[in-house]
Amino acid sequence: GAGVSQSPRYKVAKRGQDVALRCDPISGHVSLFWYQQALGQGPEFLTYFQNEAQLDKSGLPSDRFFAERPEGSVSTLKIQRTQQEDSAVYLCASSSGGLNIQYFGAGTRLSVL
Amino acid sequence: EDKVVQSPLSLVVHEGDTVTLNCSYEVTNFRSLLWYKQEKKAPTFLFMLTSSGIEKKSGRLSSILDKKELFSILNITATQTGDSAVYLCAVASGTYKYIFGTGTRLKVLA
Repeated sequence: GAGVSQSPRYKVAKRGQDVALRCDPISGHVSLFWYQQALGQGPEFLTYFQNEAQLDKSGLPSDRFFAERPEGSVSTLKIQRTQQEDSAVYLCASSSGGLNIQYFGAGTRLSVL
Repeated sequence: EDKVVQSPLSLVVHEGDTVTLNCSYEVTNFRSLLWYKQEKKAPTFLFMLTSSGIEKKSGRLSSILDKKELFSILNITATQTGDSAVYLCAVASGTYKYIFGTGTRLKVLA
């Protein structure tokens, strides 16, 4: 596609609910990143994929967070049993590899009530 | 621990003013430094800097990197209301990881 696409743009969840956030990267981009951005803060690294392989998940805050990219294209970030502290904007970025320029999606704003 | 610090945290100026945004870093295995502009949508790429002392320029925006003193500046001349945004600095470390600063929130008044 022309850019990185994320859906939904906004998600309101009740505490304890499971959510799934989708990222469709730029076509052909092998690298895909998920970030969490709290209000007034910079993006914080969550996880990194190279094609379908999840090479780094060190930033995932707990075992309630799970990400996958089964065919090396679209990725899903799943949060189980959401908590209020999960409220944030979740940004996805893709690049053509390694430390090349990352292109960001518009993000999903998650609000947990 | 790797860190990227941006200053000021926020800035209010009038149209036509010149602003300088700062980014300092302490990162192991530095590879490059990037600037992004973030409005109420996707952060958009501005510059990538890898070499010291070479200015990158795009219209009214310019940026330079000092790898000895471990900082970069982003200059915006003749500011316009459309420049109002959060400006993010990110430093690449190792083979793929980017560390972001908290951003500088710029507001340009008409």
